[in-house]
Amino acid sequence: SQQGEEDPQALSIQEGENATMNCSYKTSINNLQWYRQNSGRGLVHLILIRSNEREKHSGRLRVTLDTSKKSSSLLITASRAADTASYFCATESSGGSNYKLTFGKGTLLTVNP
Amino acid sequence: ETGVTQSPTHLIKTRGQQVTLRCSSQSGHNTVSWYQQALGQGPQFIFQYYREEENGRGNFPPRFSGLQFPNYSSELNVNALELDDSALYLCASSLERQGGETQYFGPGTRLLVL
Repeated sequence: SQQGEEDPQALSIQEGENATMNCSYKTSINNLQWYRQNSGRGLVHLILIRSNEREKHSGRLRVTLDTSKKSSSLLITASRAADTASYFCATESSGGSNYKLTFGKGTLLTVNP
Repeated sequence: ETGVTQSPTHLIKTRGQQVTLRCSSQSGHNTVSWYQQALGQGPQFIFQYYREEENGRGNFPPRFSGLQFPNYSSELNVNALELDDSALYLCASSLERQGGETQYFGPGTRLLVL
């Protein structure tokens, strides 16, 4: 079952603009991670934010986490054509020992040159 | 590149057949997870192996099975293939079995069941 739900499902912007993607989830979490996937290939880890953190930056990426609303956002600033990809949020839940990731359905980002 | 490799890259099978997919973890990683990603969906957790033992399983039937070897490479076996098994199969390795560890994904094996 899907834990996270990304919004929007698809986003098309011009190069240089900012892109914001949102993720909502249902259960309590240890952390939330964002991944990128190019053309149905392997996923690349972008950033991890722990449940006790509210905001994190990495280069042009900014992630926020609101555990009271069970939501997160990923902001990509000054987008480039090479940022075109699908972006997934994944939650790592509390409890158990297998630390599995539960992914949403993803947002397809298209950055037009 | 993550250092995680998978083989084969593509595979075509017919319903009822059996398939084995292989994954070579990043050097030093003792934990591997397998995911199934149907077209247009996010990856779904199949199971995880830690030091050659299954360490958790998702909502997949027993005909999905796995192995992890002493060198931490692993296999995913699927018996009695069904049309719905057509998907991209991803493995991911991590350094340790603990929370907050980054999972490094391979490029995937795309399986088509006819």
